[in-house]
Amino acid sequence: SQELEQSPQSLIVQEGKNLTINCTSSKTLYGLYWYKQKYGEGLIFLMMLQKGGEEKSHEKITAKLDEKKQQSSLHITASQPSHAGIYLCGADPFSYSGAGSYQLTFGKGTKLSVIP
Amino acid sequence: GAGVSQSPSNKVTEKGKDVELRCDPISGHTALYWYRQSLGQGLEFLIYFQGNSAPDKSGLPSDRFSAERTGGSVSTLTIQRTQQEDSAVYLCASSISSGGYTDTQYFGPGTRLTVL
Repeated sequence: SQELEQSPQSLIVQEGKNLTINCTSSKTLYGLYWYKQKYGEGLIFLMMLQKGGEEKSHEKITAKLDEKKQQSSLHITASQPSHAGIYLCGADPFSYSGAGSYQLTFGKGTKLSVIP
Repeated sequence: GAGVSQSPSNKVTEKGKDVELRCDPISGHTALYWYRQSLGQGLEFLIYFQGNSAPDKSGLPSDRFSAERTGGSVSTLTIQRTQQEDSAVYLCASSISSGGYTDTQYFGPGTRLTVL
């Protein structure tokens, strides 16, 4: 089965600092999703990556998928208290078995705290 | 329109009681998913509905868990004879259709279930 390892498990940074969260797969990723979770708000969709080497940005958050499609990173520039929360990567196992699957497999999350 | 909504937001129940959790997906989304998020366990898939097709129940942990989706829209997750290990946040997600990695799942805020 697909496993996603996230690192670090938790991160505390000073406001204004840059940070990176990693998500590593034991198998080739064919669809990688990044979500952010805050208490009481469920999961908020951030970005989805599909192609090797793909990079997407939204405001101060950039996500990349490596060429081998086994690792993704989420980079936050000039962090703000509003960035605090739990970041989750999720993968669609659709192509692993070829049988067609749809439920996402998630990493255990990275808890980010930003100190003002 | 509105995002995925879930009710209740919090539910406290006594061991052995039955509970019903409700999910209203995004209008027009044909695919609906239930996940469970337990402390230290991450997010795990429970059940999936696509249109009028038979649901994929492969993630349900026991026969005490069931779900239905009426009219292709609202879904109810029922847990019978609740146990303390059922305590978790139950998240519902919907997507416009089932199609694997091209299909972004949008999550509701979750229902936090506590079984005393």
